[in-house]
Amino acid sequence: AQSVTQLGSHVSVSEGALVLLRCNYSSSVPPYLFWYVQYPNQGLQLLLKYTTGATLVKGINGFEAEFKKSETSFHLTKPSAHMSDAAEYFCAVSANQAGTALIFGKGTTLSVSS
Amino acid sequence: NAGVTQTPKFRILKIGQSMTLQCTQDMNHNYMYWYRQDPGMGLKLIYYSVGAGITDKGEVPNGYNVSRSTTEDFPLRLELAAPSQTSVYFCASSPQGYTDTQYFGPGTRLTVL
Repeated sequence: AQSVTQLGSHVSVSEGALVLLRCNYSSSVPPYLFWYVQYPNQGLQLLLKYTTGATLVKGINGFEAEFKKSETSFHLTKPSAHMSDAAEYFCAVSANQAGTALIFGKGTTLSVSS
Repeated sequence: NAGVTQTPKFRILKIGQSMTLQCTQDMNHNYMYWYRQDPGMGLKLIYYSVGAGITDKGEVPNGYNVSRSTTEDFPLRLELAAPSQTSVYFCASSPQGYTDTQYFGPGTRLTVL
C-alpha cells in the first residue's frame, strides 16, 4: 500500500524567497513520485516526476525536487518565488506494479506576497 | 489539439436527480480516469479505464457509473444525486498506466441541493 503526506496545508512566502513544499511518502515497492500544480479554477498539470535514475529532478518554471529514499521524502523547491507561483501543489505516488493507483496528497496552497 | 475536455463546467442538481458528466480526449490515450476533489482532501479516484470496453472501480465508486465505448470518451454517470456528491470532478488521461503523466481536464463543479 502507498500513501503520501504533505506537511503544511498552507505555505506563505515573499516574492524572491525560497519555496520549500514538503512531501513524504510510504511505499512497499520502488515508488514513482510526482508533483502536480493546480492554478485557480483549472485542472492539474505536471510539474515534475521521478521514475528511476537521477534523484534530483528538474521540472517546469524553475522547480526541482530531490528523491531521498532514506528519508522517504520528495520535497519540492524553487530558489526564488514569483507571484505567478501562487497555486495549490499536490504530491503523488505510484509504482510500476499492476493494480497500483496514483495516490495524491491533500495538497499545499502556496501564497506569494510582494 | 484540445487535450482533455469536460462538460459542463458547472451544474446544480436537486437531490435524487441524475446526470452525466462528459469527458473527451484527443490524444489517443489508453488510460482515462475520473477523480473528485474536495477541499483539503486532495483527489480521490472514482473509476478508471485501461481501454475501450474496460473499466474498473477506484477508491470511491459508490453512487457513480462509467462506460468506455470509444478511446476518446469516458462519461461519468451520477444516479440519484446526494449532497455528499457535491464536489469538483476531474477527468484525466494518460498514454499508459499510473506511472505515466496524467493530463487533466478543467473540471466540472457540481452542487447537489
